[in-house]
Amino acid sequence: QVQLVESGGGVVQPGRSLRLSCAASGFTFSTYGMHWVRQAPGKGLEWLAAIAYDASNEYYTDKVKGRFTISRANSRNTLYLQMNSLKPEDTAVYYCAKDRSGLLGADQWGQGTLVTVSS
Amino acid sequence: QSVVTQPPSASGTPGQRVTISCSGSTSNIGTDTVYWYQQLPGTAPKLLIYHNNQRPSGVPDRFSASKSGPSASLAISGLQSEDEADYYCAAWDDSLNGWVFGGGTKLTVL
Repeated sequence: QVQLVESGGGVVQPGRSLRLSCAASGFTFSTYGMHWVRQAPGKGLEWLAAIAYDASNEYYTDKVKGRFTISRANSRNTLYLQMNSLKPEDTAVYYCAKDRSGLLGADQWGQGTLVTVSS
Repeated sequence: QSVVTQPPSASGTPGQRVTISCSGSTSNIGTDTVYWYQQLPGTAPKLLIYHNNQRPSGVPDRFSASKSGPSASLAISGLQSEDEADYYCAAWDDSLNGWVFGGGTKLTVL
């Protein structure tokens, strides 16, 4: 079965960087687009970024464009999110999600990893 | 402020039918496929509906959805206590070139 396991979360000071990873298994990772979505404490879901199956295209919400970078290593079945210049408002649970088709929506989600930005 | 709007709350008694609306625009719901997710307390979201009205295997047929123009709705019939959760609609937005979520609807089973 599909498994997505995020890691790399933790407590980080404002202005610092953090890289999240998402280890995928149970499907042919290299043939599916992937997404990062976050959820601030007590808030709704917020899509952050998506990447095509072959990394040929990347998409970002304006809020993180220029600060966050989505990437993937198909040889390692791993998705990444590099987060720079972190702000307290970036505090959230970060989920990776497998795209169902055409980067139009996700059908499988990881359990999430918590990122806390605080001094 | 999300570009896709959902009511913040909904409620019903066991056995009832409830609907949750999702209002967008011609650049998102009006053009692209709608997804619905269920998020039980403390867990990751789970796919309920894809491609406007399709249920993945394992999702009970008590859950159904429809779309008309820039709006969509999720219906839950035969409401059960375990349906108490947050529900989100989502669609790709061609103007923003990104995926947009509704603000979520908290469903309470009375």
